[in-house]
Amino acid sequence: SQTIHQWPATLVQPVGSPLSLECTVEGTSNPNLYWYRQAAGRGLQLLFYSVGIGQISSEVPQNLSASRPQDRQFILSSKKLLLSDSGFYLCAWSGTGDPYSFSYEQYFGPGTRLTVT
Amino acid sequence: TQLLEQSPQFLSIQEGENLTVYCNSSSVFSSLQWYRQEPGEGPVLLVTVVTGGEVKKLKRLTFQFGDARKDSSLHITAAQPGDTGLYLCAGLIAGTYKYIFGTGTRLKVLA
Repeated sequence: SQTIHQWPATLVQPVGSPLSLECTVEGTSNPNLYWYRQAAGRGLQLLFYSVGIGQISSEVPQNLSASRPQDRQFILSSKKLLLSDSGFYLCAWSGTGDPYSFSYEQYFGPGTRLTVT
Repeated sequence: TQLLEQSPQFLSIQEGENLTVYCNSSSVFSSLQWYRQEPGEGPVLLVTVVTGGEVKKLKRLTFQFGDARKDSSLHITAAQPGDTGLYLCAGLIAGTYKYIFGTGTRLKVLA
């Protein structure tokens, strides 16, 4: 069975400090990978997604970046955090295939609660 | 900008009542998922609907996908306190790998 891990679970960082959040998936190969941010009690905002190693699509221009150094590893980074970067960050994976016949579900990790002070 | 409008945003009902949550968009979706999320945890997938007009049932939950694949509904019959949580819909935009999420419905079922 497939599992998805995220760490750390919680993080408190000062404004201007760097950030690195990691997500790994087990039990599947060549997944699509996603980073979302969620404001308290609200829907999810897609930040980045990747359909393969080194392939990153950015949905929201901001001071965050993402990388996919390995097939099942997805990293969210920032060089200098802002107060507005606080939130609940979720990583998700899905299967892949032809986008015109693609209907795979997403499966989410446990999330990272980031507080920027 | 593609939006997925979800309503109502908040719902507080008594145990045993019925309710319906709606997701509406102007975009066509390849599929639509419904999730439930507990505080501090990731969303958990409840169901995926793929075909226009499709209806799926999961115990007391009934999910329907609109004929044009632009909207969906979730109906809960005889709600129980264990149904309490944040319900999210997510549409997979046709021809892409991108999902857009609804704004969420926070449901509280009182015993």
